[in-house]
Amino acid sequence: ETTLTQSPAFMSATPGDKVSISCKASQDIDDDVNWYQQKPGEAAIFIIQEANNLVPGIPPRFSGSGYGTDFTLTINNIESEDAAYYFCLQHDNFPLTFGGGTKVEIK
Amino acid sequence: QVQLQESGPGLVKPSQTLSLTCTVSGGSISSGNYYWSWIRQPPGKGLEWIGYMSYSGGTYYNPSLKSRVTISLDTSKNQFSLKLSFVTAADTAVYYCARVGYTYGPDYWGQGTLVTVSS
Repeated sequence: ETTLTQSPAFMSATPGDKVSISCKASQDIDDDVNWYQQKPGEAAIFIIQEANNLVPGIPPRFSGSGYGTDFTLTINNIESEDAAYYFCLQHDNFPLTFGGGTKVEIK
Repeated sequence: QVQLQESGPGLVKPSQTLSLTCTVSGGSISSGNYYWSWIRQPPGKGLEWIGYMSYSGGTYYNPSLKSRVTISLDTSKNQFSLKLSFVTAADTAVYYCARVGYTYGPDYWGQGTLVTVSS
């Protein structure tokens, strides 16, 4: 089973900031990492596919990078609507596993 | 736009069976290339993959839950279901259903439903 270590668990940002969230895998998982955004009481939204591919309809201020064991979600020029919980997921092997999540607060 | 919605009892007694249903709209569960899946998140903890079933009948269950889990599809109602037997307080969680692409992972999720195990 692949363990995903996500950091930080919480971050606070000001509108216009650039923020980065890390997701580290316990073994090589190629680019089989997705990123999701979730707001309280709402369904999770698929934002980054295969480590660095922006899902259609997602604003281009979101981007992903990485391969193998180290992955990053970056939000450029963060907006107030980006306040949410973000998590990574690996689908390279079963069982699918998740990062611990990051709560992003906008000041 | 595909939408998924979980439904079922919010309270289950210990040792009983938890039963949830996911209703899919905007797409058919009979279409290929997808797994229909359940995931859960206990309060204050991380997400845990429970398992999936494909239209072709293939299933995968998390080894940690395999002995207690059954996932099934009802194509006539465009729904799929989760049954988790012999529940304990450790099974208290928000339960999510999701559609999973064969090659790219989950793309659509339900909003989740809280199930509490308590007498």
